[in-house]
Amino acid sequence: RKEVEQDPGPFNVPEGATVAFNCTYSNSASQSFFWYRQDCRKEPKLLMSVYSSGNEDGRFTAQLNRASQYISLLIRDSKLSDSATYLCVPRGAGNMLTFGGGTRLMVKP
Amino acid sequence: GAGVSQSPRYKVAKRGQDVALRCDPISGHVSLFWYQQALGQGPEFLTYFQNEAQLDKSGLPSDRFFAERPEGSVSTLKIQRTQQEDSAVYLCASSSSGGKVDQPQHFGDGTRLSIL
Repeated sequence: RKEVEQDPGPFNVPEGATVAFNCTYSNSASQSFFWYRQDCRKEPKLLMSVYSSGNEDGRFTAQLNRASQYISLLIRDSKLSDSATYLCVPRGAGNMLTFGGGTRLMVKP
Repeated sequence: GAGVSQSPRYKVAKRGQDVALRCDPISGHVSLFWYQQALGQGPEFLTYFQNEAQLDKSGLPSDRFFAERPEGSVSTLKIQRTQQEDSAVYLCASSSSGGKVDQPQHFGDGTRLSIL
């Protein structure tokens, strides 16, 4: 089993839609979690940090379920500019990040 | 302020050649990481430095890969006798954390390496 599993997608949604991605992780020692966004041929950029049960930042909401070892990302009122790959990243006891394969989102007009 | 800077942006080499990839982290960042990202995959951890000390090199795929950060700032990832499977984007990230686990990593643009 991979350490971090994500549905690769693509998720094709219309502008204004609400979309949610899930991510499961296997390392129960993971203490902190991040969602990174990566545009095509660009570097990953931090979207959100998740330390407790969840975090909300504008249209983006991340939720963490430690018991079930999954993290979700909800995007409300999708914009064309939200089209990207979203990477789920738990961090364990060390400083190494373990990236999922990413979920690709395509927002259509 | 300046972000993480990587050079070259693109590198093409023939199989068997040695290559060196450079990373300039954000000024003052203690931690530096190297990742390898194959097409369509998420980044995979290679190695981690805290200042000049290489604390984790468990992700280096073979002894052909070598990384250094001699003065605790700029880092170089060297790949000897390159193989086609080394073709990937090599990402460098830095973080202000000096042991804390909750500081995010900031990534450079990456070096896209193609081995012919």
